[in-house]
This record gives sequence, C-alpha cells and structure tokens, in this order.
Amino acid sequence: GENVEQHPSTLSVQEGDSAVIKCTYSDSASNYFPWYKQELGKGPQLIIDIRSNVGEKKDQRIAVTLNKTAKHFSLHITETQPEDSAVYFCAASTGYGGATNKLIFGTGTLLAVQP
Amino acid sequence: SQTIHQWPATLVQPVGSPLSLECTVEGTSNPNLYWYRQAAGRGLQLLFYSVGIGQISSEVPQNLSASRPQDRQFILSSKKLLLSDSGFYLCAWSVLGTPSNFGSGTRLTVV
Repeated sequence: GENVEQHPSTLSVQEGDSAVIKCTYSDSASNYFPWYKQELGKGPQLIIDIRSNVGEKKDQRIAVTLNKTAKHFSLHITETQPEDSAVYFCAASTGYGGATNKLIFGTGTLLAVQP
Repeated sequence: SQTIHQWPATLVQPVGSPLSLECTVEGTSNPNLYWYRQAAGRGLQLLFYSVGIGQISSEVPQNLSASRPQDRQFILSSKKLLLSDSGFYLCAWSVLGTPSNFGSGTRLTVV
C-alpha cells in the first residue's frame, strides 16, 4: 500500500527565513497531495494542495512543488513569521482528492519560527 | 460559516468500558464526515467515513464502530475499550473532495 515519508520531523528557523518540508510517496498512482497545518490544541487545517497535472502551486508565502518522476513533493514557506509555528502534515491519495479516496498522511513536521 | 464541534476534549476510560465520541457540523448540508486517529509520532489514520445518513465505510478492522444518525452528526463508539484504543481522535468534514476542516480532537486514554 501507499507509504508517505516526511522530513524533517522538527525544523527551527529564524523569523524571515524560508522553511522547506519534504515528503516522498511510494504509490505512483497517487495524484493528489494536500498539506495541513495543525496548531497547538487544534485540529489540522488544509493550507494548500496540488494535483499531479501541475508541478508547482503558490498561495502568498506558501508554495508546493511536485516531482512525479522522483515521487516527492515539498512545502515551501517564505518570510516565515512566528504564527507559522505549528505541525505540518503532508498527505497523498489517488483519485484527485475525491471524498472517498483515502488520504495517507506523513508523520508530521514541527516547525518552530524563532523571533 | 461552517464550524465543526467535537467533544469531549479529553477522556480517560478504563479497559472494557464503552466509548461514545460525538461530532457535529454546522453551516453546511450533506457533508462528507470522517473519523481519524492520530497516534503519537505518527500521521493521521482514517478510521471511518460517511457520505450520507446511515452510510458508513470502515477503513481499518478494529474495536470501534461509527454511526451517522443525522445529516450533520457523526458518532464514534466502542462496546469495550482496549488499551490500544488510546490516541487522539479527530473528526473532519468536506463537501467536495478530501477533508479540509478538522475538529479540535479528543485525547482518549484507556487505563
């Protein structure tokens, strides 16, 4: 079955620097890759997603890139701010993210932005 | 706006006792509803999902069950808890596609 590996498990950056979190997946049929942000004491929130028909997607300070050949995708956060501190999860699924397609999650990255 | 409510926030239960966790969604109709479990140091694992009242799909054989008695209500249950049922349980919803909004979770400790 699908397996998603996420690195690093913890990441500390200075405010204003960039942060990059990487995930690799095993199932070449995966075609939908969302990213979630989980703040302390709260549930995860979808922040950005990408489908396999594009290689990059941006939304203000966050961007996601996808390399289908290498089967990995990454989250990029630029100009980090203290409020970006949270646990970030990547996930992968087949079926372009349909409601009944199972998401396989990575193990999470704890991002700490130092002021 | 849509909101999701999940309770209780924390729960300590003895082995062999029953379990009932409730999740309700406001501000949307006919949502897809999901129950996930998050083990320490691991990602989220899908337990159940529902695309409508009375329609439950199970992803992982286990000691748990789910029910959807109303359109915006999703319940996670167990008749007899095991130690291995301890974890962080999250309810989520979506209208189209995979879940975009999760509840704040229930920390279950079975002792």
